[in-house]
Amino acid sequence: DIVMTQTPLSLSVTPGQPASISCKSSQSLLDSDGKTHLNWYQQKPGQPPQVLIYEVSNRFSGVPDRFSGSGSGTDFTLKISRVEAEDVGVYYCMQSIQLPWTFGQGTKVEIK
Amino acid sequence: QVQLQQSGPALVKPTQTLSLTCTISGDSVSGNGVIWNWIRQSPSRGLEWLGRTFYTSKWNNDYAVSVIGRMTIKADTSKNQFSLQLNSVTPEDTAVYYCVRFLVKPRLNTFDIWDQGTMVTVSS
Repeated sequence: DIVMTQTPLSLSVTPGQPASISCKSSQSLLDSDGKTHLNWYQQKPGQPPQVLIYEVSNRFSGVPDRFSGSGSGTDFTLKISRVEAEDVGVYYCMQSIQLPWTFGQGTKVEIK
Repeated sequence: QVQLQQSGPALVKPTQTLSLTCTISGDSVSGNGVIWNWIRQSPSRGLEWLGRTFYTSKWNNDYAVSVIGRMTIKADTSKNQFSLQLNSVTPEDTAVYYCVRFLVKPRLNTFDIWDQGTMVTVSS
């Protein structure tokens, strides 16, 4: 199985300040078709996860532009340019290049 | 607008079978470019993909190694549903279970639609 490792596991951020989450995969997520199968999800308290970013850096419909994704191969980053109170929750990276599809452990974002 | 509605018991006894059904509205269980999945979440195991079903001239099913031999996913085109059966449950199967759509498009591959989830407890 591909292991997804996120750091840090928790983050406390002052509103308006940036935040960054790292995700490393145990194998490359670059497919032979040139796509990199790395997604980011946000889970707010009491809700199911919702997609933020697909294929490393593409914001899903309706996602604010303060969220951005980057990376390649096995190293990826989710950045929030200016954290807002509504960004509280747990963020997960996930790979879909190889079964079983696997998720990172999650990074809990709190507001200071 | 695509929506998923899950039904099933909240409490199951050890050794029994857990059965959950996901009803799809706004899409087709046999549609092109979609894969239907079961995912669970627990404090000990985090988010765990369990299995999937999709149609491409025939039905295809894949399962996580952790549930192979215990889990069956079936699609019912007449009711536009897909279901999960997990046999011989133990307390380790206690989790929130989600049914989830995975969208497969040329430049968009992701879990895009989740139901609200069902908290399933395995206990006598």
